[in-house]
Amino acid sequence: GAVVSQHPSRVICKSGTSVKIECRSLDFQATTMFWYRQFPKKSLMLMATSNEGSKATYEQGVEKDKFLINHASLTLSTLTVTSAHPEDSSFYICSARDQGGASGYTFGSGTRLTVV
Amino acid sequence: AQSVSQHNHHVILSEAASLELGCNYSYGGTVNLFWYVQYPGQHLQLLLKYFSGDPLVKGIKGFEAEFIKSKFSFNLRKPSVHWSDAAEYFCAVGAATDSWGKFQFGAGTQVVVTP
Repeated sequence: GAVVSQHPSRVICKSGTSVKIECRSLDFQATTMFWYRQFPKKSLMLMATSNEGSKATYEQGVEKDKFLINHASLTLSTLTVTSAHPEDSSFYICSARDQGGASGYTFGSGTRLTVV
Repeated sequence: AQSVSQHNHHVILSEAASLELGCNYSYGGTVNLFWYVQYPGQHLQLLLKYFSGDPLVKGIKGFEAEFIKSKFSFNLRKPSVHWSDAAEYFCAVGAATDSWGKFQFGAGTQVVVTP
């Protein structure tokens, strides 16, 4: 089945630094990928829709200058958390639309970001 | 705007008991409905989905869900739970006309299974 690889799985960074999270579709092309954030004991919140070759579409309340999304190829989308602060600590999950697959929609394994 | 409500945040069941998790959504148009499961330390996995057709959908691991359009509900059921079903369960709704994969998730239901 369709596989989405997300890397790194865990990252700890210092306040003020930037962190890049990668999301790759391994065996299919994904023109659209999605980035979610999961707060402790809460559900997933859609942050943005990543479109290959064009600008991402951000959900209301999500700072586009803080959460930079790049979708330069059909198999890779990246989320960069810029000038990270402790409140950015969270679990970030990407997903991709497998246009031809039965599942249709596959999640990555997530990235636990801790900002200290 | 879409919204998804899961009635129980925490459910405790004995092994072999029946499970039913409620999910209601709010949306005026045609929707695609999903249930995902997240086992401890693992990523989200699709249990089942409904796009159209038979409103009773069967998924993996013995789970099923019934779409009742008049009630805007998509409840998840399993006749007899196993200890391995302990996990967090998320209901998700996507507008059928929207970018496929752009979902609203419910808050999740943590299921605990006791011996």
